[in-house]
Amino acid sequence: DTAVSQTPKYLVTQMGNDKSIKCEQNLGHDTMYWYKQDSKKFLKIMFSYNNKELIINETVPNRFSPKSPDKAHLNLHINSLELGDSAVYFCASSPRTASSYEQYFGPGTRLTVT
Amino acid sequence: KNEVEQSPQNLTAQEGEFITINCSYSVGISALHWLQQHPGGGIVSLFMLSSGKKKHGRLIATINIQEKHSSLHITASHPRDSAVYICAVERGAQKLVFGQGTRLTINP
Repeated sequence: DTAVSQTPKYLVTQMGNDKSIKCEQNLGHDTMYWYKQDSKKFLKIMFSYNNKELIINETVPNRFSPKSPDKAHLNLHINSLELGDSAVYFCASSPRTASSYEQYFGPGTRLTVT
Repeated sequence: KNEVEQSPQNLTAQEGEFITINCSYSVGISALHWLQQHPGGGIVSLFMLSSGKKKHGRLIATINIQEKHSSLHITASHPRDSAVYICAVERGAQKLVFGQGTRLTINP
């Protein structure tokens, strides 16, 4: 009965490769997010989607492309991976954007680019 | 300078002590969130507040909108409270801007 799930949990890959991280939520929430946590544990928002529509896109390189096939899923595709992309990526969801709501986080995906 | 500053960055205390973690922000916000990141990496939302005070068990969160300041208190601290506590401010459309976190260690 996991609320927000991510796959894979760990991802080790070489520079230049293309990889995807999948996120699914079974909470019926309208809004989903991707966050990046760097090596200093600092969290920063990357994207948010509301009902499959992009709402927030925070100066993220074009190599990162979120895709939302339906409101329960928000996947993150990364092209031409670079060493600096190594981080933990968290997916989250919340009921909607119109008001303030708590966000529910997935377990994170640790990406290591070698 | 970050829009959200937490203090202290690291805090070590003995079991049973009263803990206070502070968060100051420099921008207009619609709400403030306190999050807990476990040693295993998972993140849990503790509080979301836009005014006053909230309490869950041994945890209390307060916010002063005029002073742009929030505090998280833990009463009767326990080793299982050891975690990183993160303050985040919400700047419209549920966009969260995070502080750098406070690493709390409670020794038995």
